[in-house]
Order: sequence, then structure tokens, then C-alpha cells
Amino acid sequence: LAKTTQPISMDSYEGQEVNITCSHNNIATNDYITWYQQFPSQGPRFIIQGYKTKVTNEVASLFIPADRKSSTLSLPRVSLSDTAVYYCLVGGRGVNTGFQKLVFGTGTRLLVSP
Amino acid sequence: EAGVTQFPSHSVIEKGQTVTLRCDPISGHDNLYWYRRVMGKEIKFLLHFVKESKQDESGMPNNRFLAERTGGTYSTLKVQPAELEDSGVYFCASSHPSVDTQYFGPGTRLTVL
Repeated sequence: LAKTTQPISMDSYEGQEVNITCSHNNIATNDYITWYQQFPSQGPRFIIQGYKTKVTNEVASLFIPADRKSSTLSLPRVSLSDTAVYYCLVGGRGVNTGFQKLVFGTGTRLLVSP
Repeated sequence: EAGVTQFPSHSVIEKGQTVTLRCDPISGHDNLYWYRRVMGKEIKFLLHFVKESKQDESGMPNNRFLAERTGGTYSTLKVQPAELEDSGVYFCASSHPSVDTQYFGPGTRLTVL
């Protein structure tokens, strides 16, 4: 599975837009890009997934350039409750077996201040 | 709909003892995964069940760890005998066979003294 690189930490203030970029230079053709969020003492929580271009849901947007060697998670107007660790993962879908094992990196620790 | 549940939430045992962790996946999710994070390290994959069959157990650290999923419903992860380096948080996740999103439980924090 492709390795990812993302900033160790980021700081922001309430109401700002936060963009977290992830590098995955060795992404394979059938790999998808998935972001998870984790709060202390909880398991990771799925945020968004995409293959190319832009994906948006009620929580975030995911921007993927044409070469797919990087991706950017965009959180609009963050609040204090968005303080968490954000993981970028890449991997392929297993046919008839569900998603393959997730490979977690160190993640990005986002701190949102008042 | 109930999420993935894990029991116990926290377990403290002494080195050499046995501990069994339990995971109840979301109903209808054939795929069940075990992960763990040991102190200061990243979350690591342990194994993957499809129903009652082990699809991938490449992440199991050694033969002191035994995972089972009899009947294809809940799963147990037994550590016998436990060692100090087994301390960490053990996560379980499940996914529907046709949707690749994995849903994680809250984890079991294992402390081996």
C-alpha cells in the first residue's frame, strides 16, 4: 500500500477554513484516497473518500489533482470540536472482500483555538 | 443502527496472564478487522475476517495472539500469555461487503503490568 506524508500538526482558529495536504507519490492506479478523523479515546471515524477531482459531503471536501500524487482535505469553518487527528490513507478496493487493510501514518494533529 | 462495540473498554492484567477482547461488528457487515496502537506508534493492522474466514492475518505479531470469529458474527482476540509490549489500544472495525468504508469501535485499552 502506498505510503502517505502529511504535516504532523496544524493550528487554526474557529471559523477558519483548514486545508490539510497529503502526499502519496506512489499511489497505484486502483488506489482510493480516504481520510479518517480520530478524537482522543475513540476509534477513527470515516470522513471522506475519493479517487480523482473533487468530492464533497456534509463534513468536508477532498481535492485530488490529475496526477493523484497528493490530496487536500478541506474543512470549512472549523469549530473547537474539530480538534482531532486526521489521517490520510490510500489503498485499493478488494473485489468481494471489502476494503483492504488500512495503513495509518502518523496523521495530522489539528488544534482549533477560540 | 448500533455501531461497532468492543468489550471491555479497559483491561489491566499482569504479564503472563490471558486476556480476551471482544468485538461486535455492525449487523450485516461480513468484513471484520482488528488493529492496534501500541504506545507511541501508529495504528497497525492485525487481521481481517470475511465472515468466519481469516482473509488476511499478516499483521498478527506472533502466535500468542489468536483471533476467532465463530459463526461469522462477533470476534474475539485472545492474547496468551500477555507480555508488556502488548500494552496498547486494540481497535475493531467492520465493513459491508459491497461498501469499503470501515467503521471503527471505540477500542479496548490493554495494560500489561
